Order: sequence, then C-alpha cells, then structure tokens
Amino acid sequence: NAGVTQTPKFQVLKTGQSMTLQCAQDMNHEYMSWYRQDPGMGLRLIHYSVGAGITDQGEVPNGYNVSRSTTEDFPLRLLSAAPSQTSVYFCASSYTQGNTIYFGEGSWLTVV
Amino acid sequence: QKEVEQDPGPLSVPEGAIVSLNCTYSNSAFQYFMWYRQYSRKGPELLMYTYSSGNKEDGRFTAQVDKSSKYISLFIRDSQPSDSATYLCAMSAASQGGSEKLVFGKGTKLTVNP
Repeated sequence: NAGVTQTPKFQVLKTGQSMTLQCAQDMNHEYMSWYRQDPGMGLRLIHYSVGAGITDQGEVPNGYNVSRSTTEDFPLRLLSAAPSQTSVYFCASSYTQGNTIYFGEGSWLTVV
Repeated sequence: QKEVEQDPGPLSVPEGAIVSLNCTYSNSAFQYFMWYRQYSRKGPELLMYTYSSGNKEDGRFTAQVDKSSKYISLFIRDSQPSDSATYLCAMSAASQGGSEKLVFGKGTKLTVNP
C-alpha cells in the first residue's frame, strides 16, 4: 500500500519557469490537499479538493493551480516560479468522515 | 491572536525524561484535537487523536485536552532518541471534512539526547 506518493522529491527551478508537482493516493480518499511548509510559518494550505472535479483555494493559493480529474491524482502547478515559492510542499489526503490526514513524503523545491 | 499557538522550541532533553508539549487555542468551537509527529525530511504522521476534553493514552504517549483553559498537551514518558522530531498540534471544529477544516500549530522541535 503506497499511501500518498509525491514526485519529484527535489527540484531546482529558475525564476519564471513552470512545473508540476505530482501527487497520487491509493486509499480512495475523497479529500486531497497541498500544503507548503516554511521555517517559522508552519503548514499552510495552498489548495484542496473535496472530490473529482471540485477544487478550492486555501490560505496561500496565489501562483499555484490545481485540478482533480480523478480521485487518485491531484497535481500542483507552478505557473511562473518565483524565489518566494522556495519551500517544502506536502500533498495530503483524507476521508470525508473524520479528520485524519495522511501526508506524502514532501517535495523540496528551490527557485533561483 | 493566532487561532493556535505552539512554542517552537527547540526543546532538548536527556533520554528517559518526561516531555511535555503544549498548544493553546482561541476558538472555543474546536472539538477534535490531534498531534502529528514529523521526522526530519519526512511528512507529518498522525500520532494521537482525541475528541473533546480528557486524556488518551497510547503506550508512552498521553494526549490531554482542557477545553475550559483552551489548552492541549502531549506527554512522552521515558523519552527515547527515536522520539527526536518536530511535533505539530492540529485541531478542528468539524466532525467531517479534510484539510480545509484543520488548523495547525507551527510545531515544536524536540531532541532527545542519549
């Protein structure tokens, strides 16, 4: 059972480049979400989805796009990378019932 | 005032010590309280989950909720070097829902020295 799988684990981007962080879960969870984690800032919600075809903004959505075409996948797109988007990104998923969230291993992104 | 406050530490203790980690909160609607453990360069993993007030014990870990004081604690007995990690509290007012309902603390970094 793979749980929540994120790729890539590490990425270096130049300012202005675009890229997609991939996230997949095999637990048939309705909810999926993306967080960024920065020193002194904790976990901040970027975007989330309550099911296939439904997405919504979290606390810090600017500069990021998401889509949810299937239950399993929830990619995060950086449209035009900026140094302020240097961070660790975590994908997470959960059932509708309850609050237990399962996190991926993280993606370390550096924008130079 | 932030909804959830957590002392970032760092906290350094000798092996075998009792560790107390705490969070305070301001939203009286919170009913569901969680503690996540995050090892270095890994994702957070759920450690303890409690509902409303009271204590919950799981091995060396005890979670305590005091809703009257808006204060939650995680106690680690007989701490081990393998407990060295960042501990995040999280809480929610809703019985249903995912990420968008959770509010996280910023995490406390704990080091247990052999």
